[in-house]
Amino acid sequence: DADVTQTPRNRITKTGKRIMLECSQTKGHDRMYWYRQDPGLGLQLIYYSFDVKDINKGEISDGYSVSRQAQAKFSLSLESAIPNQTALYFCATSDRGAPTDTQYFGPGTRLTVL
Amino acid sequence: GQQVMQIPQYQHVQEGEDFTTYCNSSTTLSNIQWYKQRPGGHPVFLIQLVKSGEVKKQKRLTFQFGEAKKNSSLHITATQTTDVGTYFCAGNRDNYGQNFVFGPGTRLSVLP
Repeated sequence: DADVTQTPRNRITKTGKRIMLECSQTKGHDRMYWYRQDPGLGLQLIYYSFDVKDINKGEISDGYSVSRQAQAKFSLSLESAIPNQTALYFCATSDRGAPTDTQYFGPGTRLTVL
Repeated sequence: GQQVMQIPQYQHVQEGEDFTTYCNSSTTLSNIQWYKQRPGGHPVFLIQLVKSGEVKKQKRLTFQFGEAKKNSSLHITATQTTDVGTYFCAGNRDNYGQNFVFGPGTRLSVLP
């Protein structure tokens, strides 16, 4: 969805480096999410935020941190990257007003940790 | 914790054949959503089911929500090459978004 953008789209880094993935949205949604996708494992929730002052851990938050800088921006950080964090990362948004949290995904960031 | 499973993991069909993927939850769901991810793309919302026993159709796609609200299915009639991709179900245990869990997906290949 063009209303949800992620930067960078691809990143190769080395073990131990700090990495930040950024997500911006123009949909005006309150809720934002970070997912990780690995082959055969579907989408796993890392962190989610229901508004600027609300941050919650998902299923696999260890090794990750997030920052909700504004309603439209939600960034994901890997403080010290490790090879098993190599994956495809998706940001998503949903509308608080909708009862069912339909997720609108960004294009994804492919991260490789060497 | 809540688990959502999907079968099969992969399915190869000849164009024109039908396809079905099944989604099962370990807990009762308040609603279920289906997403499609084209190769190299991102998941895109297809549909949401809320009521027990609900059936919805989108052209050649038929979605069902089980009576116990613990399982769902997606059936594609007469597949086309444009149906290629991975189909995910996602279950919501409540209406607040904290328990929104994706299944592992079913990857569909359609041979022309």
